Amino acid sequence: DAKTTQPTSMDCAEGRAANLPCNHSTISGNEYVYWYRQIHSQGPQYIIHGLKNNETNEMASLIITEDRKSSTLILPHATLRDTAVYYCIVRVAGNQGGKLIFGQGTELSVKP
Amino acid sequence: DTEVTQTPKHLVMGMTNKKSLKCEQHMGHRAMYWYKQKAKKPPELMFVYSYEKLSINESVPSRFSPECPNSSLLNLHLHALQPEDSALYLCASSQAYSGNTIYFGEGSWLTVV
Repeated sequence: DAKTTQPTSMDCAEGRAANLPCNHSTISGNEYVYWYRQIHSQGPQYIIHGLKNNETNEMASLIITEDRKSSTLILPHATLRDTAVYYCIVRVAGNQGGKLIFGQGTELSVKP
Repeated sequence: DTEVTQTPKHLVMGMTNKKSLKCEQHMGHRAMYWYKQKAKKPPELMFVYSYEKLSINESVPSRFSPECPNSSLLNLHLHALQPEDSALYLCASSQAYSGNTIYFGEGSWLTVV
């Protein structure tokens, strides 16, 4: 079962930052937080992942709370093309491997 | 380049047909995956191959038969499917099944009539 809780849907104005929250209160010390998104009728796209430090790449920033029980994905300047379902996934890393189990995700609508 | 290629993009098959979905990656990845996604639902893991050996089968019915002929190719053989098997079938790969980032293809849309 998915170990994360996300809002079902969110709206964001084009050009503004989109902040997508995720709760993972039962996360273990060896589990990473991954974010993927799925634009309609396409395969899931990897965005970013992190363990406990904040992470940033060309697509987004990931802010993980100090207790690691929640995180926020930030799209700094949302565009209409960022409209998608965003999945927050907790996954074991390292030699133990880890299934990528999707939860229900957040449907983000970016509006003009 | 993080490209996973799936063919065909669309497939319509009858319940008595035998067909196959194909997946290919040239990233040197040694783990490959099949997921199934029904409309308005998240993807569900079906199979995991690691170094060309089946390592996880999520209790998938035997009418779905995976095959990994080499490290770059993954097939999903379909036989005697039901209309409820109509879905988007997603292939994915990662460097290894050890927590590496998983990259997905665009999927194959399957309709069973």
